[in-house]
Formats: sequence, structure tokens, C-alpha cells
Amino acid sequence: DARVTQTPRHKVTEMGQEVTMRCQPILGHNTVFWYRQTMMQGLELLAYFRNRAPLDDSGMPKDRFSAEMPDATLATLKIQPSEPRDSAVYFCASGLEYQPQHFGDGTRLSIL
Amino acid sequence: QQPVQSPQAVILREGEDAVINCSSSKALYSVHWYRQKHGEAPVFLMILLKGGEQKGHEKISASFNEKKQQSSLYLTASQLSYSGTYFCGATSNFGNEKLTFGTGTRLTIIP
Repeated sequence: DARVTQTPRHKVTEMGQEVTMRCQPILGHNTVFWYRQTMMQGLELLAYFRNRAPLDDSGMPKDRFSAEMPDATLATLKIQPSEPRDSAVYFCASGLEYQPQHFGDGTRLSIL
Repeated sequence: QQPVQSPQAVILREGEDAVINCSSSKALYSVHWYRQKHGEAPVFLMILLKGGEQKGHEKISASFNEKKQQSSLYLTASQLSYSGTYFCGATSNFGNEKLTFGTGTRLTIIP
């Protein structure tokens, strides 16, 4: 079965460090989403792309977060500088236009 | 504002039925249902579109009431594998793919 692949699966780092999370969408999917999941806020959409172009990043703190798609097989989410409140599970999902979203296994991020 | 799901949590014995509700304060265009097991990714179950349709998937089905701005997920003759947290994700209009996920319902099935 085709899967969305996220790396790393776990990341522990100190406050102030840069964090980069990567996502390989399912081959052929042209839409990529980034979500953050916490106990308090649940699943929140941070940003999404269609054909590598950003369509919406209104859910993302602009001062420290950035999302890009350097090519069709790679999406990245960066946090610089990281803060303890960024600790969460970050999910990437991919799909075709207006079709179900398929989630990766997530990156569990802890900022000390 | 995120959809509200009820109940927040439910414990059932294997074989019993469950209903999970998802209510929105905004008009709904589509509702997507997902199940997430602890420490795993959300897994897609089904999509319902505006029009009040009902869909089925083995012993799991769902309905969508546009007037009430509500969707319900029905699990019949529950199995142990149905345990997990169920989320509804809603969009408010055609062309909008931004899912706003609900508060989640934790379902525990015991033997």
C-alpha cells in the first residue's frame, strides 16, 4: 500500500534550535497538508499546497514557522526558533483534489 | 470554530452499537470521518457531501443532516478493532478543502 512517509518520527531538541520535518507524499497526489495535533487544541491545519504552490497557510505562526515544497516528492515544515509550546505531533497528509486525505505516521516533537 | 462531537468518550462491550455525533455552528458542505488509534495516524473512513446522504462501509455507516448542520457515525455490532478516537472533519463550502476537525470521541470496546 502506498503511504505518506514522514521523517523523523521523533525529535527532541532544546528551545531555540531549528527543527525541520519532512514529508514524502503518496506518488501522484497533488495536494499536501500539514497538521498539528495537541491534547488541548486537537487537530489543526497549519498549511496546504496544491501542485507545490501554497494555497493557505493561515493556520501557521508566520514569525517562526515556514512550509515549502521543493519538489513534488518532498514537503518540509520548519520551525526557527523552536519554543516549548511547539511540542506536538505534526502530521502530513496528501491527496488528490477534493479526495480523501491520507495521513503519515507523524513526527512527535518535544521542545525542552 | 471546531465542530463539537458527542459523546466525548464511550465504553462498549463487543457486539454493541454506537452513535457518534458531529455538530457544527456553521453551514456544512462536507463531513469527513476518520479513526485514530493511539500513537498512530488518522485513517480515513468516509466522506459525506451536502445533500443529506447516508453512506455505509461494512458495519460502519454515516448520515449527514444539512438542516441540522450535523453528521452522525453509526457503528453496529462493534468489534475490538473499532476502538480508537473518531474525528469528524468539516468543510463549509464547495471548493474549500480546509478541514476543521471536531473535538474527537474516544471509543473503547471491551470483550
